This record gives sequence, structure tokens and C-alpha cells, in this order.
Amino acid sequence: QKEVEQNSGPLSVPEGAIASLNCTYSDRGSQSFFWYRQYSGKSPELIMSIYSNGDKEDGRFTAQLNKASQYVSLLIRDSQPSDSATYLCAVNGPGTSGSRLTFGEGTQLTVNP
Amino acid sequence: EAQVTQNPRYLITVTGKKLTVTCSQNMNHEYMSWYRQDPGLGLRQIYYSMNVEVTDKGDVPEGYKVSRKEKRNFPLILESPSPNQTSLYFCASSFRTSGNEQFFGPGTRLTVL
Repeated sequence: QKEVEQNSGPLSVPEGAIASLNCTYSDRGSQSFFWYRQYSGKSPELIMSIYSNGDKEDGRFTAQLNKASQYVSLLIRDSQPSDSATYLCAVNGPGTSGSRLTFGEGTQLTVNP
Repeated sequence: EAQVTQNPRYLITVTGKKLTVTCSQNMNHEYMSWYRQDPGLGLRQIYYSMNVEVTDKGDVPEGYKVSRKEKRNFPLILESPSPNQTSLYFCASSFRTSGNEQFFGPGTRLTVL
């Protein structure tokens, strides 16, 4: 089992729709969870971080964390073509005091005008 | 401007010729890390450093060396590069641990012939 798994994609949504990206992780001791966005040929940039169960909203982005289910998700409301990118889920852990960050393989999102 | 810089951005070399990729950050971050990104495999951690003179292996350290003699610099050394080290490399830094937001450099695309 991979340490961090994301829905395989690619995901395609029409402009204005809600894009839903999902991620599961294997280590119950993980404490910090991140979503990075990576445009083609560019470096990853942080768009959301979440540390406790529940929802966290920032503009059109909402991150959801459920530690019991070992599940973290990212919702993008009113999707725009500029949201087209690969989204990387990253989890702090496993099993150490914050020394490692493990990434999923990423989900490629395309928003069609 | 707060940033992580990497040099060179692009490098083509031959098997066995030692090379160094430099990484520098101007944010006074304690934590620095190197990743490689390959299609289908995502971002994988090579080495990380919690502070000056403190380094440790990540998920794929074979064939790489690092050093952390100064807080701002974290060079990646390939003593004898091989074609399977052809990849896109990212350096990243964060304030204290990988549980904090990581800032990524622009990436170095390395080709080993």
C-alpha cells in the first residue's frame, strides 16, 4: 500500500463546476496535511494546509480532513481554466517527529472553458 | 524577495562525471530538503536536513550526497551520475520541520547520458 494515494485522474470539469480531489494516507500518526498545485514545468506551490479534523476554507478552496478515515480532500468551487494543473497531496510523517513529507503522485485537473 | 534558488536549471552530463546542484534560501529556514520528480512516481524525497550539520536520508538516497555547512545552503552532489538519475530535482525549505509550509525552488532538469 502506498503511503499517500490520490485519485488517479486525469480529472476534467467544466468551467464553473466543483472539482473534487481526494487523498488517503496510511500512517495514523500523520499530523500535517497539505495540498500543492503544480503547473506544467513549474515547481509546486502550497495552496492549502490543514492540521485538524473538519473543513478549512480559503476563497474558492476547501480542504477537508478526516483522521479517523485517514482521508483528506480538496474542493475547488467555481473552477476556472487557470486552475488546470496537477494537484499534489502531501502528508507529514510517517513515524517521525516531522522530518519527512510524503507526496502522492498527483491528480491532473483540466478545467474546460 | 524570499526565495529558494537552484543552479543550474538545466544540465546535460555523461555517466560518471561528478556534479553538484546548488540550493540556497534567504528565509533563514532550518529545514531543507531535496526531491526528485519522475513521471508516474511523483515527488520523492532524497535527503533532508533539520539544521546545520544535521542531515538524513529520505526515501531514495542511493547515489546522492548532501552537506549542510551553512544554514542557507544545501547542495546535492552526484559523485558518479548514472542514467537512472535523469530527473527533475527540486530543493525545498521550511521554517522548522516538514510540518511547516515548504517553499520550493524552480527545479533543475538533469539528463545523464
